Amino acid sequence: DGGITQSPKYLFRKEGQNVTLSCEQNLNHDAMYWYRQDPGQGLRLIYYSQIVNDFQKGDIAEGYSVSREKKESFPLTVTSAQKNPTAFYLCATQSGGQANEQFFGPGTRLTVL
Amino acid sequence: DAKTTQPNSMESNEEEPVHLPCNHSTISGTDYIHWYRQLPSQGPEYVIHGLTSNVNNRMASLAIAEDRKSSTLILHRATLRDAAVYYCILRDVAGTGGFKTIFGAGTRLFVKA
Repeated sequence: DGGITQSPKYLFRKEGQNVTLSCEQNLNHDAMYWYRQDPGQGLRLIYYSQIVNDFQKGDIAEGYSVSREKKESFPLTVTSAQKNPTAFYLCATQSGGQANEQFFGPGTRLTVL
Repeated sequence: DAKTTQPNSMESNEEEPVHLPCNHSTISGTDYIHWYRQLPSQGPEYVIHGLTSNVNNRMASLAIAEDRKSSTLILHRATLRDAAVYYCILRDVAGTGGFKTIFGAGTRLFVKA
């Protein structure tokens, strides 16, 4: 079954703790993205990666870190430096080419208590 | 980065056509126009995209103004399942941002039975 897996769907953490969100894809896509969505708002780009071992900051990268050691995986770590981490986090992929569509995972809803 | 402007919300009756507008007056020559939609608590899904010419697919039609400063997503017969937030975005594939994508707040479509 091809697609993008994000786990877990719901995640709770205490304030001050780092947490890593998983994103795995078997679509063989080169580019991967992480977005954050707050209630009633659009998506904001955190980080993106066009190729293995390379990634770029998006518009709101502060307090987040990523790695891209494998084509299939693009984990996002929400660090204690992120002031308002409670949000809906979406991972996406895109195959090669200029205008190709993005495919989104089901998302992880992170709540920091 | 070029931005898009969409109405916050629109309402439609079931089985009637819906025209969702999007303004992108600062669009560059290499920006593709993409539309996505997002159901509650899910990741966005691709609807359609275009560059200069009007486009049709099984989900919708995309009408692009001759000057490319605006576009309209057309749902030919709205159903209750079409109730979602619709995002009009520009894909900057020629600038330093590479495959960077910016999502706005989108248009929330309400469909009445």
